[in-house]
Amino acid sequence: QKEVEQDPGPLSVPEGAIVSLNCTYSNSAFQYFMWYRQYSRKGPELLMYTYSSGNKEDGRFTAQVDKSSKYISLFIRDSQPSDSATYLCAMKADSGGYQKVTFGTGTKLQVIP
Amino acid sequence: GAVVSQHPSRVICKSGTSVKIECRSLDFQATTMFWYRQFPKQSLMLMATSNEGSKATYEQGVEKDKFLINHASLTLSTLTVTSAHPEDSSFYICSATGLAGRTDEQYFGPGTRLTVT
Repeated sequence: QKEVEQDPGPLSVPEGAIVSLNCTYSNSAFQYFMWYRQYSRKGPELLMYTYSSGNKEDGRFTAQVDKSSKYISLFIRDSQPSDSATYLCAMKADSGGYQKVTFGTGTKLQVIP
Repeated sequence: GAVVSQHPSRVICKSGTSVKIECRSLDFQATTMFWYRQFPKQSLMLMATSNEGSKATYEQGVEKDKFLINHASLTLSTLTVTSAHPEDSSFYICSATGLAGRTDEQYFGPGTRLTVT
């Protein structure tokens, strides 16, 4: 079993829709959770960074963490064609940028105008 | 701030040759740099972690004699793929951490597409 599971998609939605992206994980030691956006042939860009359970909102993006269920989500409101990219969930056990990060496989999102 | 560059962006080499990829933090000193490999439709797989001035720590299953990592300064790390084979063809991405005030985050480079013929 992979430590982090993520549906690869692709997920196609019309412009303006609410998008829900999800990951499950098996390692209960994970406490720090990230979402990255990766455009084709580019490096990942950090979107959201959360610690432990709860919600975090940043503009059109909301990250949710449910540690009891080992389940994290990223919601995108009022989706735009420019949101079309692959979204990677990532997590780690300890703080510190030097800590190993485990990534999901990524979900490819296409927002159709 | 927090810009990481990689060079080259794409490289094609013949089987048996060696290829060097550079990773630079342009506007901050990177205490730690990471090298990842990403195959199509697969996750980023950490290959090794390097700290400036010390030997890299390789993940299980990554051949350290094949993937040579040098972190010679706080702004430069290099990955050399020695005696490359077609199965080494992949997207190689580096990341760096150490930006003052944001030491918990990794900043990624744009990646290098390696094709071995």
